[in-house]
Amino acid sequence: GDSVTQTEGLVTLTEGLPVMLNCTYQTAYSTFLFWYVQHLNEAPKLLLKSSTDNKRTEHQGFHATLHKSSSSFHLQKSSAQLSDSALYYCALSANYGNEKITFGAGTKLTIKP
Amino acid sequence: NAGVIQTPRHKVTGKGQEATLWCEPISGHSAVFWYRQTIVQGLEFLTYFRNQAPIDDSGMPKERFSAQMPNQSHSTLKIQSTQPQDSAVYLCASSLVGRVGEQYFGPGTRLTVL
Repeated sequence: GDSVTQTEGLVTLTEGLPVMLNCTYQTAYSTFLFWYVQHLNEAPKLLLKSSTDNKRTEHQGFHATLHKSSSSFHLQKSSAQLSDSALYYCALSANYGNEKITFGAGTKLTIKP
Repeated sequence: NAGVIQTPRHKVTGKGQEATLWCEPISGHSAVFWYRQTIVQGLEFLTYFRNQAPIDDSGMPKERFSAQMPNQSHSTLKIQSTQPQDSAVYLCASSLVGRVGEQYFGPGTRLTVL
C-alpha cells in the first residue's frame, strides 16, 4: 500500500536559520504529494501540493520539489520565523480516482528566538 | 463561508457507551472525509464519501465504527461500545470533487472515553 515517511519527529531551530523537513514516499501509482501544516489548537491546512516531477512549488515562503526518481518531497524555507512553529505533515494521494490522503507521522517544528 | 462545522467539539463517554459525531461540510463540497488524530498514530484516514456515496472505508475499524452521509449537508461518524483506545480527535474534511488533496478541515471533535 501507499506510505509516507517523515524521518524527523521533532525539529528545533533558531529563528533565521534555514528549514528542511524530509519526506519520502512509496506508491505504485502516479501521485499527488502535499504538505499540510497544523498550528497549535488549529485544524490542518494545505500548504503545498505537487504532482509534477522536478518542478518547484512555493507558498507562504515555503517550497518543495517533487523528485520521482528518489520518491522525495522535502519541505524547505530559507529563513525560519517564530510563527513557523507547528506540526507539518507530508502526505500523498494516489492519482487513480480515490481521493483519500495518506499522511506521514508528522514533524513538530519548533522555532526558538 | 463558515468552513467545515463539527459538533460537538468535546465529548466524554463512559466505556461501552455510544458516541455520534457530526460534520457539516462546506456548501458545494461533495467529497467528505473522516480522519482520526492521536499523538501516537498521527493523522489516520478513516473513510470518505463522494456525492454522498461511500467510496473508501479502508481505515474504519470494522466492528464498532460506522459512517453515513444521508444528505449533502451532513455526515455522521458513530462509534458503538466506545473503548478508551477510541479517545482521539476526530477530524472531518471536505473538498470539491476532483480537487485532490485540497481538503478543508473542521476543528475536530475531541472524544474522551473514560
